[in-house]
Amino acid sequence: EVQLVESGGGLVQPGGSLKLSCSASGFTFNNYWMTWIRQAPGKGLDWVANIRKDGSDKYYADSVKGRFTISRDNAKNSVYLQMDSLRAEDTALYYCAADSSPNQGSAWYTTYDFWGQGTLVTVSS
Amino acid sequence: AIQMTQSPSSLSASVGDRVTITCRASQGIRNDCGWYQQKPGKAPKLLIYAASTLYSGVPSRFSGSGSGTDFTLTISSLQPEDFATYYCLQDYNYPHTFGQGTKLEIK
Repeated sequence: EVQLVESGGGLVQPGGSLKLSCSASGFTFNNYWMTWIRQAPGKGLDWVANIRKDGSDKYYADSVKGRFTISRDNAKNSVYLQMDSLRAEDTALYYCAADSSPNQGSAWYTTYDFWGQGTLVTVSS
Repeated sequence: AIQMTQSPSSLSASVGDRVTITCRASQGIRNDCGWYQQKPGKAPKLLIYAASTLYSGVPSRFSGSGSGTDFTLTISSLQPEDFATYYCLQDYNYPHTFGQGTKLEIK
């Protein structure tokens, strides 16, 4: 059974830090790009960051660039999101998602095949 | 960043109806568009990728079309389990971006 389990969320003050973890099982982790996507309460989906299968490339949303760092440990089947200088607007449910990145000919696409249940981050004083 | 503008933001329909949701990209994105369904309290699920490729296990009443800047998700005959919120996603370049969502409600 495929599982993605996020952890590490909680209440933090503005300017503080938090590190999220996502533990994967039931699929070949190092065959998937991994992505963090968040959703503020009652709002839509917001793409945050992703990391290549071998960790060699990382991409970030403009809103988190320079504050958040994505990393992965393929030996532990885990992906992480280090969040620094947190702001109230970072309050959200944070999902990790696995992307098999299928190709059609020479084109590659994003498919969030598996998702976790999310971990809630609340930034408030 | 590329903006994805979805319309309508909400939609009321009945079981058996045909519905169409659209997404417009702020610049051309070839066919790099996917569609996701989210039900309350649950993680999203992939429906369509590469604009028109049906993801494994997704019912054939769902279809997608479009290229360049304009994309559509069509549900040919609404079923009770289809009432949910739908999001488009562009994966043409980074950062990837979602549309703001379309909430499909029962009439």
